Amino acid sequence: SQQGEEDPQALSIQEGENATMNCSYKTSINNLQWYRQNSGRGLVHLILIRSNEREKHSGRLRVTLDTSKKSSSLLITASRAADTASYFCATRGGDGGATNKLIFGTGTLLAVQP
Amino acid sequence: NAGVMQNPRHLVRRRGQEARLRCSPMKGHSHVYWYRQLPEEGLKFMVYLQKENIIDESGMPKERFSAEFPKEGPSILRIQQVVRGDSAAYFCASSPPVSNEQFFGPGTRLTVL
Repeated sequence: SQQGEEDPQALSIQEGENATMNCSYKTSINNLQWYRQNSGRGLVHLILIRSNEREKHSGRLRVTLDTSKKSSSLLITASRAADTASYFCATRGGDGGATNKLIFGTGTLLAVQP
Repeated sequence: NAGVMQNPRHLVRRRGQEARLRCSPMKGHSHVYWYRQLPEEGLKFMVYLQKENIIDESGMPKERFSAEFPKEGPSILRIQQVVRGDSAAYFCASSPPVSNEQFFGPGTRLTVL
């Protein structure tokens, strides 16, 4: 099964509303990151939260992390049509290993209607 | 400072041919990662390389796939004798030596006919 799983799989909202996406993971982590992917394009890094942090803000983005529940949420406030994209969480393992590989979730497809 | 560059952006191959995907990391970045994204799915890690070294290839299929990051030049992901199931978007990311953040390229979309 996936290390990271997002829910919902798809979300449709009106411009100006807030969008909340959740991510769950299974193993211990060093950090958790959120990425955006516009259709057919590459990934854009949005925000990183470390395992010892509980909340982080960046512009209209707010990320929370609950390591006891192994879950994170991404809140986009005052959404815009340009926010329409797929959003992925990615975890970097906390096993102390040499690898820096990211393990991605399945993604949430956000559609913001103008 | 140019971002991560990948070429070609689109690649079409017939079954049995070879596919070579190139990735030039950002300036100053010595770590390269390759990921594969199947349609409607998230990215799956394939391999992590530093200059002239493969650090983690736990996500690479055992056969037909290989990767290198030579001292000079781009990183290459090579797929020999491609099959239809290899059709996917292949993304490269790079990072500096001490960083949690990976910067992604635009991807190469491989279509196997």
